[in-house]
Amino acid sequence: GDSVTQMEGPVTLSEEAFLTINCTYTATGYPSLFWYVQYPGEGLQLLLKATKADDKGSNKGFEATYRKETTSFHLEKGSVQVSDSAVYFCALSDRTGNQFYFGTGTSLTVIP
Amino acid sequence: DSGVTQTPKHLITATGQRVTLRCSPRSGDLSVYWYQQSLDQGLQFLIQYYNGEERAKGNILERFSAQQFPDLHSELNLSSLELGDSALYFCASSRTGELFFGEGSRLTVL
Repeated sequence: GDSVTQMEGPVTLSEEAFLTINCTYTATGYPSLFWYVQYPGEGLQLLLKATKADDKGSNKGFEATYRKETTSFHLEKGSVQVSDSAVYFCALSDRTGNQFYFGTGTSLTVIP
Repeated sequence: DSGVTQTPKHLITATGQRVTLRCSPRSGDLSVYWYQQSLDQGLQFLIQYYNGEERAKGNILERFSAQQFPDLHSELNLSSLELGDSALYFCASSRTGELFFGEGSRLTVL
């Protein structure tokens, strides 16, 4: 069945460091791919998404490119801030758009 | 603000008790999803409803049940509570192929 595997955490970075959180997926057909972010004490918020191969999703300085050849959707940011400290979830929706599959989440802490 | 409302935000109860968590989806969203988030198991999909009908079932225990009402709000009922049921319970709604999450209900079972 469909599934998402993302990099284990926790990840600790210094402010202004480069961030990569790896995410790979298994799916039948052409899923949509998402990154959600959960700030402390809050629910999950959609960070970015991509709906077809080679699409790049971007928001708040974060980017991820839908790579069908490597079944990946890695999250990147060139210069992290303390305010980026959160848990990041990679997710996919199946070809019907009704079922969603989440990775286990990666906790990011950015230190000044 | 995602537009998804969950109540209560916090709930403390004892083992063996029963609780009901409520979710109001975004206006116009027909699908409601319930997830459980615990420290050691990440985000677990419990159940999905679409316009009042059960659409998909995930890792939902038999002690748990849910329903979606004609006004599209949903309730998750948890009974015979155990210590291990302590978790954050999220509701999400969807209409356009994206999930919008509420802020969650934190359940503590003592």
